[in-house]
Amino acid sequence: DAGVTQSPTHLIKTRGQQVTLRCSPISGHKSVSWYQQVLGQGPQFIFQYYEKEERGRGNFPDRFSARQFPNYSSELNVNALLLGDSALYLCASSPRVDEQYFGPGTRLTVT
Amino acid sequence: DQQVKQNSPSLSVQEGRISILNCDYTNSMFDYFLWYKKYPAEGPTFLISISSIKDKNEDGRFTVFLNKSAKHLSLHIVPSQPGDSAVYFCAADMYSGGGADGLTFGKGTHLIIQP
Repeated sequence: DAGVTQSPTHLIKTRGQQVTLRCSPISGHKSVSWYQQVLGQGPQFIFQYYEKEERGRGNFPDRFSARQFPNYSSELNVNALLLGDSALYLCASSPRVDEQYFGPGTRLTVT
Repeated sequence: DQQVKQNSPSLSVQEGRISILNCDYTNSMFDYFLWYKKYPAEGPTFLISISSIKDKNEDGRFTVFLNKSAKHLSLHIVPSQPGDSAVYFCAADMYSGGGADGLTFGKGTHLIIQP
């Protein structure tokens, strides 16, 4: 079975630009969560979506938004990029609360 | 304020010996704890978990111990193998809250298994 897939793998953006990251969950998983991992830190929770509805949000500014589509794939959008947004963005899908399966991540560099 | 703390950034252990990774937490609302393993260029991989109603959970070479009164958990790997070299993250969840707050992770411990 295919695991969680994320695209793109890497990207470089300039301050002030906008970026969209994509995630496809494991087949049958209806919940998708997004995490930001800054170098030297553990992943930090951004959003959780279940059945296309936002169920939870971490302590991130409104520049971060997300959505989940009818096929359960998800997009994370970040507007007005700052240098501090440079990080590995991880998507995790889960069949239920206690098991989260992570994708390989998207490495975002903001210059 | 870090709610999940892994105070050892790195740990070096000889192959075949026991590896013990430690984790402390401050939020008493956490009731479910997980360990993830991460190789470079890959996402974290789930290893083992424990509910707050238990004090021990085993899965093969991996055992997690939970001491609720001390707000401390540890991951034991016996025997340690070269493929265990990776970064290990401790994570906590408020399971009873439906998990909508996401997992709270520590900063990770880089385990190095020496041949």
